[in-house]
Amino acid sequence: GENVEQHPSTLSVQEGDSAVIKCTYSDSASNYFPWYKQELGKGPQLIIDIRSNVGEKKDQRIAVTLNKTAKHFSLHITETQPEDSAVYFCAAEDNAGNMLTFGGGTRLMVKP
Amino acid sequence: NAGVTQTPKFRVLKTGQSMTLLCAQDMNHEYMYWYRQDPGMGLRLIHYSVGEGTTAKGEVPDGYNVSRLKKQNFLLGLESAAPSQTSVYFCASSYVAQHYNEQFFGPGTRLTVL
Repeated sequence: GENVEQHPSTLSVQEGDSAVIKCTYSDSASNYFPWYKQELGKGPQLIIDIRSNVGEKKDQRIAVTLNKTAKHFSLHITETQPEDSAVYFCAAEDNAGNMLTFGGGTRLMVKP
Repeated sequence: NAGVTQTPKFRVLKTGQSMTLLCAQDMNHEYMYWYRQDPGMGLRLIHYSVGEGTTAKGEVPDGYNVSRLKKQNFLLGLESAAPSQTSVYFCASSYVAQHYNEQFFGPGTRLTVL
């Protein structure tokens, strides 16, 4: 089955700096890679996703890049703000398209 | 439109007791999922369903059973709870299209097994 590794597990940045979270996956047949944000006491929520036919996607201050050859994808957050503090999860879709395998999560702390 | 709701929010069980967690969604989604979240281990899929009356095993199904008798509900059962099942449980639902699976999560249930 799919295996998704996520790094780092914790990340602390100053407000206004950029943050980068990286993930690798094992199944070369995976074609859909979402990122979820989980705020304290809540369920995860989709913030951005990318499909295998694109290498990069941007939505305001967040962007995701995908390298299918190397089987890794990354989340980039620019001009970080205190409200970006949360746990972020990457995920990869299985070959059948039925389920997602999640990475272990990254706790991002943005210091004012 | 409530989205995905979970009942109960908190529960404490003794080893060997049984319980059922209820998940309900009002978005007419075909797919539903049960995950457990443990520190440092992300979200691990327990069981899932691709439609009413269907269920399938995920990554960590042992010790759990599920049922999907109605499209809007997905039940997770623990027949004989063990301390290793202490965790936060999340339910999710999704509309699935080719290479697209946005999952909508409930608020979670915190379960402690003593």
